[in-house]
Amino acid sequence: ETGVTQSPTHLIKTRGQQVTLRCSSQSGHNTVSWYQQALGQGPQFIFQYYREEENGRGNFPPRFSGLQFPNYSSELNVNALELDDSALYLCASSLGGDRGSSPLHFGNGTRLTVT
Amino acid sequence: AQTVTQSQPEMSVQEAETVTLSCTYDTSESDYYLFWYKQPPSRQMILVIRQEAYKQQNATENRFSVNFQKAAKSFSLKISDSQLGDAAMYFCAYRREFTGANSKLTFGKGITLSVRP
Repeated sequence: ETGVTQSPTHLIKTRGQQVTLRCSSQSGHNTVSWYQQALGQGPQFIFQYYREEENGRGNFPPRFSGLQFPNYSSELNVNALELDDSALYLCASSLGGDRGSSPLHFGNGTRLTVT
Repeated sequence: AQTVTQSQPEMSVQEAETVTLSCTYDTSESDYYLFWYKQPPSRQMILVIRQEAYKQQNATENRFSVNFQKAAKSFSLKISDSQLGDAAMYFCAYRREFTGANSKLTFGKGITLSVRP
């Protein structure tokens, strides 16, 4: 069973640039959610994708966007990077359906630094 | 909106001893899940234990157990026979229960647990 994998591990960008983070979900999972974890804080929910459609979003501006592909992998895109976007970005997958979803399985995250 | 509060930023325990990590939450829902996650320096969030709100019995997973007080909205984690590998950040998390695929977790700020040899 393949777990959740994220790439890249680390990334350094300049303010104003755009970034794409990638996530491969665990085998058999159809739901991917993304979280932002600032240093010393708990993760904050960005959004979730279920069967290629966004079905939940946290309090993040539109410059945070995403995609889910037919193989259930996902991308998180952030435009017009700001210094406060520096954080650990965690991807989590689960098996979702009409009866709710299974526990989340997390990847190791991407550490984004904006200078 | 649901909130999760972990008021202790740091705790320390002697190896082989027992430690309890505290968590309170606020919700108007009657059905929900509560979780404890462990985040070691590798950064991966690892599920330690989960509790369904409709279950009165406290969840147990080997050395880890919870004290779930629904009326008080309290959800503490007890680690027995602490091991060096238990050193990590621990997060309490809440998930609303409803039909559908939404699995959004609301996390607390976390607590750093150190284990003294």
